[in-house]
Amino acid sequence: AQSVTQPDARVTVSEGASLQLRCKYSYSATPYLFWYVQYPRQGLQLLLKYYSGDPVVQGVNSFEAEFSKSNSSFHLQKASVHWSDSAVYFCALSIDGGKLIFGQGTKLSIKP
Amino acid sequence: DPKIIQKPKYLVAVTGSEKILICEQYLGHNAMYWYRQSAKKPLEFMFSYSYQKLMDNQTASSRFQPQSSKKNHLDLQITALKPDDSATYFCASSQGTANTEVFFGKGTRLTVV
Repeated sequence: AQSVTQPDARVTVSEGASLQLRCKYSYSATPYLFWYVQYPRQGLQLLLKYYSGDPVVQGVNSFEAEFSKSNSSFHLQKASVHWSDSAVYFCALSIDGGKLIFGQGTKLSIKP
Repeated sequence: DPKIIQKPKYLVAVTGSEKILICEQYLGHNAMYWYRQSAKKPLEFMFSYSYQKLMDNQTASSRFQPQSSKKNHLDLQITALKPDDSATYFCASSQGTANTEVFFGKGTRLTVV
């Protein structure tokens, strides 16, 4: 069965530090993967997407993610976080067009 | 400017009543969706429509009925409301249905008392 797992419900990092949010997926076919961010009382905004090709994809606000087929992972990274990055981050797998399976989300908090 | 408009933003309903959640998108997309986010479950897919036709329904209950009067509208009617229906309902859309970027509205937060 298809699934997306974000093992960390909460992550806290200091402002200016690097960040990695983990995502593991389970899917037998070619995965189409996304990272979305949700700010308080807002909808979801797409950060980046992976369809094929270069396993490192760049997104908005200096986020990037690395796809690994061997590890079934699609981890989100940022070299230096800002306080405005505080939000909930969702990893998602497209299994049929716009039908997405989401992970449970990771709440990111930034320490000053 | 929000391109996917959901109304209302907040909604309080009495158990057993019926409500309609409104969604309009101005992205020119031909596929629209409903997702639900509750405290107990992660974001979950409910319905997908393409060219105003139901493509997929993952909602077990017939109390949830999408309604598409125009290509850029996909409302969600919920009947016989229960407290467990309390959640934020997100409307979304995409251009086509072939592994494409999905855009989300800001949601309608429904509380059933």
